Amino acid sequence: EAGVVQSPRYKIIEKKQPVAFWCNPISGHNTLYWYRQNLGQGPELLIRYENEEAVDDSQLPKDRFSAERLKGVDSTLKIQPAELGDSAVYLCASSLDLGDSSSYNEQFFGPGTRLTVL
Amino acid sequence: GQQVMQIPQYQHVQEGEDFTTYCNSSTTLSNIQWYKQRPGGHPVFLIQLVKSGEVKKQKRLTFQFGEAKKNSSLHITATQTTDVGTYFCAGIMDSNYQLIWGAGTKLIIKP
Repeated sequence: EAGVVQSPRYKIIEKKQPVAFWCNPISGHNTLYWYRQNLGQGPELLIRYENEEAVDDSQLPKDRFSAERLKGVDSTLKIQPAELGDSAVYLCASSLDLGDSSSYNEQFFGPGTRLTVL
Repeated sequence: GQQVMQIPQYQHVQEGEDFTTYCNSSTTLSNIQWYKQRPGGHPVFLIQLVKSGEVKKQKRLTFQFGEAKKNSSLHITATQTTDVGTYFCAGIMDSNYQLIWGAGTKLIIKP
């Protein structure tokens, strides 16, 4: 069974440019997470989807970040415009959660996209 | 705001010595998950603790959830080189079910 797929693996852009990341979760997983991880730190949750609904986007910087999961399967995270401080690894994870939005199960992570903003 | 503090930030051990990392939350947790991230890799799920005072074991790893559900620990007995990596806790807040990650403890095996 394929794991969580992310693309691209690496992206280098200049500041003020837009960038987009794509994630395809494990087949059948209804919950999808986007995280940002800076070097030497823990993952920071940006947004959590239950199917196509964003159930927690409290830590998403909405002035420049946007995300969508239109059909409740794959997802795109966009930054526009990118800033120097956005350089980080962007991780996508998925899980199968059968309860309400308060239930969390094992999260499976993709390999991440390493973003460098120059 | 709500925080999950994880200590220590680094731990250097000789192979064969024990290792422990601790997570403390400012508020009560509904449950807590533990993950391991190898250098250059992505987090991999180890376990989830749900009940107050719960203790779970996986071979040389022992996980505990405090009675008040505000703290948790991971203990590794007789570390091996394969244990190298960063261990993260991720707590689910009882008040709003937000998921907050600790900063991780990096396990380094001394040569």
